[in-house]
Amino acid sequence: EVQLVQSGAEVQKTGESLRISCKGSGYSFSNTWIAWVRQMPGKGLEWMGMIYPRDSDTRYSPSFQGQVTISADKSINTAYLQWSSLEASDTAMYFCARGPPYDYWGQGTLVTVSS
Amino acid sequence: EIVMTQSPATLSVSPGERATLSCRASQSVSNNLAWYQQKPGQAPRLLIYGASTTATGIPARFSGSGSGTEFTLTISSPQSEDFAVYYCQQYNNWPYIFGQGTKLEI
Repeated sequence: EVQLVQSGAEVQKTGESLRISCKGSGYSFSNTWIAWVRQMPGKGLEWMGMIYPRDSDTRYSPSFQGQVTISADKSINTAYLQWSSLEASDTAMYFCARGPPYDYWGQGTLVTVSS
Repeated sequence: EIVMTQSPATLSVSPGERATLSCRASQSVSNNLAWYQQKPGQAPRLLIYGASTTATGIPARFSGSGSGTEFTLTISSPQSEDFAVYYCQQYNNWPYIFGQGTKLEI
């Protein structure tokens, strides 16, 4: 069974760093792109970027380039989304998904950033 | 960057009344277009890929059509569980932009 399991909800303060994770199972993790998608409260889906775990080829949306870092550790079938300095505007639900097309999604990680 | 525009923003239909949702790309995306359904508090679910191929386990009342820049998602006879937000997404050229969504309501 294909599964993407994300790390739990986070409450952080502005300026702090954070890394959330997405662990894949039931398929060839290394050979399938994994994307990260942001959903701000009450808003639509925003494609942030994607990574190919086998060689760590990474692509970013211009809107998120320089704002976040996407990485992966193929030895443990896990992809990561990382911030070096959180802002209040980073408060959102973050999904990982494999593809495209995105046929399997993680359950989402809620990140709340306050001052 | 390709812009994806969905219309209408909200579509009100009665159960059993055909629903037609539109998605337009600012440039050709060939048939590399997917549709997703999202219900409150849930992750999106893939409905259609390749513009017209129904994903595994999706009821036959969902169908997709179009190519190039104009796409349509049709729900032939919406059931109560179909009232949700629908997003199109192009995956022809990254960034793989989503449309802004259409809310299907009763």
